[in-house]
Amino acid sequence: DTGVSQNPRHKITKRGQNVTFRCDPISEHNRLYWYRQTLGQGPEFLTYFQNEAQLEKSRLLSDRFSAERPKGSFSTLEIQRTEQGDSAMYLCASSFPGLPREYFGPGTRLLVL
Amino acid sequence: EDKVVQSPLSLVVHEGDTVTLNCSYEVTNFRSLLWYKQEKKAPTFLFMLTSSGIEKKSGRLSSILDKKELFSILNITATQTGDSAIYLCAVYYNAGNNRKLIWGLGTSLAVNP
Repeated sequence: DTGVSQNPRHKITKRGQNVTFRCDPISEHNRLYWYRQTLGQGPEFLTYFQNEAQLEKSRLLSDRFSAERPKGSFSTLEIQRTEQGDSAMYLCASSFPGLPREYFGPGTRLLVL
Repeated sequence: EDKVVQSPLSLVVHEGDTVTLNCSYEVTNFRSLLWYKQEKKAPTFLFMLTSSGIEKKSGRLSSILDKKELFSILNITATQTGDSAIYLCAVYYNAGNNRKLIWGLGTSLAVNP
């Protein structure tokens, strides 16, 4: 399967714990995006990378959230000291250089108890 | 402020009905508009529109862009229960030296048998 993959697909954690999600984009894509989506809403932009450089981070993203893409391939999104409000689907997407169409991964569904 | 507004936010129809979903936008340096369908998983790509007045069509779905009035519509004819989903609109535009994608909140469509 050469699509975007995300791991884990589901994560249940207790409030206050740290969680880390991984995204493996399509290999030819140099742009990688992280979104958060709650039920019935569209994707909410969190951050994006071009190669290994993090070019933009949403103002909505608190300091508890950090993302990396150290070698310009896979990316990780870490949430520290999780809160119940962090419960959502976390989507990763990637795109070809200079093209708008984003290819989405299956998402990681996070539930914070 | 750049924004994408979709309407209605939700819609309930009966099988066989025709629906029209709206997406209006306010961005500088527009490049293209994309429609996605999202069921209980990640969004899947439907159409990308860059030119006014040229209809894109795929089966019972069609879409058109009006760059003068800054909106697009997505039509679904002879709806089926499998069309039930959230339909997302996103606009791709130049922002300074970057190209950005901004998402609407989506229209939640329910097709009842």
